Amino acid sequence: DVKVTQSSRYLVKRTGEKVFLECVQDMDHENMFWYRQDPGLGLRLIYFSYDVKMKEKGDIPEGYSVSREKKERFSLILESASTNQTSMYLCASSPTYYYGYTFGSGTRLTVV
Amino acid sequence: AQTVTQSQPEMSVQEAETVTLSCTYDTSESDYYLFWYKQPPSRQMILVIRQEAYKQQNATENRFSVNFQKAAKSFSLKISDSQLGDAAMYFCAYRSSPYSGGGADGLTFGKGTHLIIQP
Repeated sequence: DVKVTQSSRYLVKRTGEKVFLECVQDMDHENMFWYRQDPGLGLRLIYFSYDVKMKEKGDIPEGYSVSREKKERFSLILESASTNQTSMYLCASSPTYYYGYTFGSGTRLTVV
Repeated sequence: AQTVTQSQPEMSVQEAETVTLSCTYDTSESDYYLFWYKQPPSRQMILVIRQEAYKQQNATENRFSVNFQKAAKSFSLKISDSQLGDAAMYFCAYRSSPYSGGGADGLTFGKGTHLIIQP
């Protein structure tokens, strides 16, 4: 089975900390995505990447950055965590435009 | 920018009955892809069904089928013979085709419909 693995299922961080959320896929997919999911707001795209060392801003990139040094790994970075970044974060990958995504199981981040 | 609207925050259906979840979208593109995803309490998002806009025929996957009305920009999901395991959040999503000149970005999701299955 193809897999997208997010390193943490639950995470609690303090305000102002630098936070790394890791995502690894084993399917050799070119495209990788980070979303946040909030009740009543659905899923909103933060950043995405179509190739190694390539990144594009999504709809809500403010307060986030990303890194993709290897094809299989796509990291989301919260430079200085704030309480309004408390959310569920979902990573996904896709081989082409013709298919839907394969999602990870999510990281529920709480910033206190 | 494209928008996806799911007008039913919550739906309830008796086990073994049929339920239809609504989705409408707004786009100026002629070629695109539409998806329905399921998110059970385990949080894992699972692709249920996919429709390509240039195909007239409605997609079907076992008990799941869609009613795709391109002119009306409507993409509803029908679940037949509902089962307890169908209980989940369901998200409708849109993706541009690179050949339509649309932006090369990710899926745009609706806000979801919470489906409850009554035993």
